[in-house]
Amino acid sequence: EVQLLESGGGLVQPGGSLRLSCAASGFSFSNYAMSWVRQAPGKGLEWVSGISGSGGSTDYADSVKGRFTISRDNSKNTLYVQMNSLRAEDTAVYYCAKPLKPGGWNRAFDIWGQGTMVTVSS
Amino acid sequence: EIVLTQSPGTLSLFPGERATLSCRASQSISSSYLAWYQQKPGQAPRLLIYGASSRATGIPDRFSGSGSGTDFTLTISRLEPEDFAVYYCQQFVTSPTFGQGTKLEIK
Repeated sequence: EVQLLESGGGLVQPGGSLRLSCAASGFSFSNYAMSWVRQAPGKGLEWVSGISGSGGSTDYADSVKGRFTISRDNSKNTLYVQMNSLRAEDTAVYYCAKPLKPGGWNRAFDIWGQGTMVTVSS
Repeated sequence: EIVLTQSPGTLSLFPGERATLSCRASQSISSSYLAWYQQKPGQAPRLLIYGASSRATGIPDRFSGSGSGTDFTLTISRLEPEDFAVYYCQQFVTSPTFGQGTKLEIK
């Protein structure tokens, strides 16, 4: 069974840092670009960042550029996002998402994790 | 950035009725790069439609997608109780963006 399992969320003060992880199983992880998508409480979906299968290419939403860093360890089938200089508006459920087809992250997402909540508050 | 605008914001219908949800793009996009998702409270989104009209694995045939250019539609032919949820469209011509969602509620 194809699965994604996020971890690492929690409460952090404004200006703080947090690293989220997403453990993948059931598919050839290194063949797929991966993305992080977030959802603020009561709001819609926002794509945050994407990374190629090799890890050599990345992209970010303007709202997180320069503060978040996406990475992956294909030997551990794990996706990460390092979040620095966190703001109240970064408060959200963070999902990792797998695209339907191998290749870039510009695809429909057919598998989503259950999400991990990040709360930025003093 | 390509902006997707969904309408209506909320749609109130009875089970058994037909639902028509709209997604309009701020510029023309290839239908290959348009998807629809369903999200229920406390759950992750679920892919319904990709390529504007192809159903994802396991999606019932009462769900259908259509459209081209800037105007896309998700149709649910006969609403079942489990279909009441929030629906999002997504484009991925450029960095992915989502519409703001349509809430489908029981009348």
